[in-house]
Order: sequence, then C-alpha cells, then structure tokens
Amino acid sequence: AQTVTQSQPEMSVQEAETVTLSCTYDTSENNYYLFWYKQPPSRQMILVIRQEAYKQQNATENRFSVNFQKAAKSFSLKISDSQLGDTAMYFCAFMKDLNYGGSQGNLIFGKGTKLSVKP
Amino acid sequence: DAGITQSPRHKVTETGTPVTLRCHQTENHRYMYWYRQDPGHGLRLIHYSYGVKDTDKGEVSDGYSVSRSKTEDFLLTLESATSSQTSVYFCAIRLDRNSYEQYFGPGTRLTVT
Repeated sequence: AQTVTQSQPEMSVQEAETVTLSCTYDTSENNYYLFWYKQPPSRQMILVIRQEAYKQQNATENRFSVNFQKAAKSFSLKISDSQLGDTAMYFCAFMKDLNYGGSQGNLIFGKGTKLSVKP
Repeated sequence: DAGITQSPRHKVTETGTPVTLRCHQTENHRYMYWYRQDPGHGLRLIHYSYGVKDTDKGEVSDGYSVSRSKTEDFLLTLESATSSQTSVYFCAIRLDRNSYEQYFGPGTRLTVT
C-alpha cells in the first residue's frame, strides 16, 4: 500500500521569502503521479501543481515549484516570494498511474502542513 | 471550478439518524469520489464511482453507502450516523479516463451529536 508522509505539521514564513514544504512517499510502483493541493481557510481544495513520475524535469507553476527525487521518494514544494494569500494547509498526494493498475484514480493524501505567511 | 456543488454545506444531526449528502456536477464527468477530512488524517477515500450505477469502496467505507442513478449526482448516505462520522466531507471529480487531476467541491461539514 502507498503512504504519504508530511513531517512538518506547521511552518511559518515571512512575506516575500521562500519556503519549502517536505513530502515523502512509499510505493513499489514505478509509474505514478504526485500532487500538491492547497486548502485556504475557505476550506476549498485547490490543485497547486502536479508531477509525473516518468518526467525527470521538475514541475513549475509560477511561484510554485517542486523538487522531485524519485529514488529518494521525495516530493517537496517550494513557494517563492511568499504572499499572505499563500496562508493555507498544504497537502501532498499520490495517485497510481491509470494505465498501470491504478484504474480507481483515487488520491492518497498526507496529513498536511499548515503554512502561515507573516507580514 | 468544474461545476461541483455539495449540499447541504453544513449539517448537525443526532446519533442514529440517517443522513444523505449530495454531490452535483454540471459537466457530465464520469468519475466521482467521496472523501472525508479529519484532523491528523488528511483526506481519505470513502467510495468512488466510475459511471452510472458503477461504484466501489474506498479505504474508509464502513458505515457509508453511495448511489449514482444519474451522471450528475453522487449521493453519500450514512444509514445510522455515529459521532465518529463527524467530519468534513468532500466530493471530487476526475475529468475523464486519461485525466489525473481531481477537482473538489466546497465540502460539507457534518456534526453528529
């Protein structure tokens, strides 16, 4: 079974600075996808970024980027130029490749990291 | 936002009563999911559906049932609510067979007293 671990329950960062959130996962699969979701106080789950395991290049979305280390089973999220609106819970999630026994298409989540951006 | 709504958004109910939560989508997506969110657990899959009348269990399905008689609606039922089912419930959709992203509804906060 797959597991996702987020070892930092809470973090804080000053506005405009950079912060990195950690995520490790355990799987015997070779093909899978990884995601970061953001949950602000509104409770809405928002997809931030995704990474395909077969891609060596790290995904980037504006101020958000990942450091994907497949051999180490590590998938960290870097937020650059942090803004007050980045204050939220951040969840790391895993999904099996749909073409390799992952027909459910369900996500396996970590427990989350609460990020506070301070002015 | 993938046109997902959930109803009700908040509900307080008593132990032993039946409760049905509704997830409605407007864009004809085939795959739908129910998750629950609890402090210290992240989100966990309850049930999912891969088409009308096609459903299957997830990680934490005990005490829950689902139905999908129309593409647009996915219902989650607690036959006899217990305090351990106090949680926030999220519905999600996956766009199609080859899509990997899931998009979530706004959630329902359920309190069982």
